[in-house]
Amino acid sequence: AQKITQTQPGMFVQEKEAVTLDCTYDTSDQSYGLFWYKQPSSGEMIFLIYQGSYDEQNATEGRYSLNFQKARKSANLVISASQLGDSAMYFCAMREGRGGGSQGNLIFGKGTKLSVKP
Amino acid sequence: NAGVTQTPKFQVLKTGQSMTLQCAQDMNHEYMSWYRQDPGMGLRLIHYSVGAGITDQGEVPNGYNVSRSTTEDFPLRLLSAAPSQTSVYFCASSYSRGLRSPLHFGNGTRLTVT
Repeated sequence: AQKITQTQPGMFVQEKEAVTLDCTYDTSDQSYGLFWYKQPSSGEMIFLIYQGSYDEQNATEGRYSLNFQKARKSANLVISASQLGDSAMYFCAMREGRGGGSQGNLIFGKGTKLSVKP
Repeated sequence: NAGVTQTPKFQVLKTGQSMTLQCAQDMNHEYMSWYRQDPGMGLRLIHYSVGAGITDQGEVPNGYNVSRSTTEDFPLRLLSAAPSQTSVYFCASSYSRGLRSPLHFGNGTRLTVT
């Protein structure tokens, strides 16, 4: 079973609008961390934002915020005021505690390709 | 600050050839890992290391070897290249395996096996 599911292979958004990229995860661990990475067409992997399972507030970093719904096991990335430079692949990833099946390694989803239209 | 440095950036191999992908980090990170990225598959973990002298297998280890003789270096060896190993390879490191510790990635190596 997939531990990280990103159901949107591709999405379009109009410049200056907000967009939500979906991510659901599967773990029986109580302690885990969730990450989002951006991969532009140039290929590098850029860390965007982190949410811990025990964090009481949703994480925010500039125009990025994380809509964390623990009971639903979802950690959706919200990008506000989209810019052309936001066009990229976006990956959701999870790290479980070391007792979890993934041994503390980062497990990635298959990604969502976001295209921002001018 | 160089971060994670991978070489080469591109490589073409013939089936059966061997080669080593180099990875070095200058952040004194304890944890290092290798992923491969294939279209529609996301990133899959090949091998990882939690410190010098310690390595372990990830999700897709077959056909690859690693070693970690120093904290800085974590080379990935392809023993006998196969077309199925055509992929983009990423080396990544983090301070630890702590939950909050993000991975820092190298720029990737695009490998084609003919």
